[in-house]
Amino acid sequence: DSGVTQTPKHLITATGQRVTLRCSPRSGDLSVYWYQQSLDQGLQFLIQYYNGEERAKGNILERFSAQQFPDLHSELNLSSLELGDSALYFCASSVGTSGRTDTQYFGPGTRLTVL
Amino acid sequence: DAKTTQPNSMESNEEEPVHLPCNHSTISGTDYIHWYRQLPSQGPEYVIHGLTSNVNNRMASLAIAEDRKSSTLILHRATLRDAAVYYCILSWAGNMLTFGGGTRLMVKP
Repeated sequence: DSGVTQTPKHLITATGQRVTLRCSPRSGDLSVYWYQQSLDQGLQFLIQYYNGEERAKGNILERFSAQQFPDLHSELNLSSLELGDSALYFCASSVGTSGRTDTQYFGPGTRLTVL
Repeated sequence: DAKTTQPNSMESNEEEPVHLPCNHSTISGTDYIHWYRQLPSQGPEYVIHGLTSNVNNRMASLAIAEDRKSSTLILHRATLRDAAVYYCILSWAGNMLTFGGGTRLMVKP
């Protein structure tokens, strides 16, 4: 158990809909990262927040957005869903912002299925 | 981006040591070498990381070549539970982890 929690575990929805994925980081971690894992693209970094502020952006679509709240939990919002958005979405957390030395702890993921 | 090259898959027998190689010929002096693994149906899990010297922890050892252009993750006694995809990652570009294809390790009983 990494200490990172994600809800829900599974989500099934229809094209065009909007969903929210939630992540609670490990106690004491200030950074939250979101990753997407699909069969054809592998694990891809989406976005990072540190103590409420956006720190880094990866291959995140404009239809996707995220935020980190004062209690440090984070939400990833996916809108106008398409079939291709079906994937596993992982949240990770780390103490600081150093990509060179910080260890990232991953949650169990949310499996999104868009029908 | 500094890239890593790993074999797509490897096989090992249970209770034998496993050496998982990684090439990173374009590594820069400040890049750390991280290894993560992903067990089936789980999120990635940190294994070990290092800069220049060899590193040991309870899970594995990391042997880094003197020129740092390659490294090897060593599992001293593979168990069935070690069957996973192992990712070798250079942490240089800010804070994100850039995952490649990894090595799928299969452990035979």
